[in-house]
Amino acid sequence: QKEVEQNSGPLSVPEGAIASLNCTYSDRVSQSFFWYRQYSGKSPELIMSIYSNGDKEDGRFTAQLNKASQYVSLLIRDSQPSDSATYLCAVKRNQGGKLIFGQGTELSVKP
Amino acid sequence: SAVISQKPSRDICQRGTSLTIQCQVDSQVTMMFWYRQQPGQSLTLIATANQGSEATYESGFVIDKFPISRPNLTFSTLTVSNMSPEDSSIYLCSVEAAGLTDTQYFGPGTRLTVL
Repeated sequence: QKEVEQNSGPLSVPEGAIASLNCTYSDRVSQSFFWYRQYSGKSPELIMSIYSNGDKEDGRFTAQLNKASQYVSLLIRDSQPSDSATYLCAVKRNQGGKLIFGQGTELSVKP
Repeated sequence: SAVISQKPSRDICQRGTSLTIQCQVDSQVTMMFWYRQQPGQSLTLIATANQGSEATYESGFVIDKFPISRPNLTFSTLTVSNMSPEDSSIYLCSVEAAGLTDTQYFGPGTRLTVL
């Protein structure tokens, strides 16, 4: 079992729809959870971090964490073609610890 | 967030040679990391660059192949030694600053092609 798992996609949604990206992790002691966006040929950029169970909203993005189910998700509302990228879920045990990345989900938003 | 630069941004190298990649941050950071991203793959941690001491390598990576230096809190280098085509990847530096959050930020990456 991989430490962090994501559906590789591609996930295709029409412009204006909600895109839902999912991630599961195996290490129960994980404390910090991150979503990065990576455009083709670019380095990952941070979108959201989440540390507590529940939802965290930032603009069109909502991260959801359920530690009991070891599940993290990212919702993108009103999806735009500019959101088309690979979304990487990353997990770490503690501050200063290493990030463990999932394989990434490729999102395509069709005009 | 910190501003991170890497040099070179890309290079094409011959088999058997070595390349040193530099990572510079515009502020002092506690943690610096080196990752590899092979074509079509996700990121894999190579090592944690420790200031003033030897780097901490992940399973599958060794100091002889990937020597790392970190002379101060703003700068680190990664050398890819005795390169083979399998080393063709993007190499990324990331940093984590001390403080309330434990977020890692990534440099722009170095795209390496080994012929």
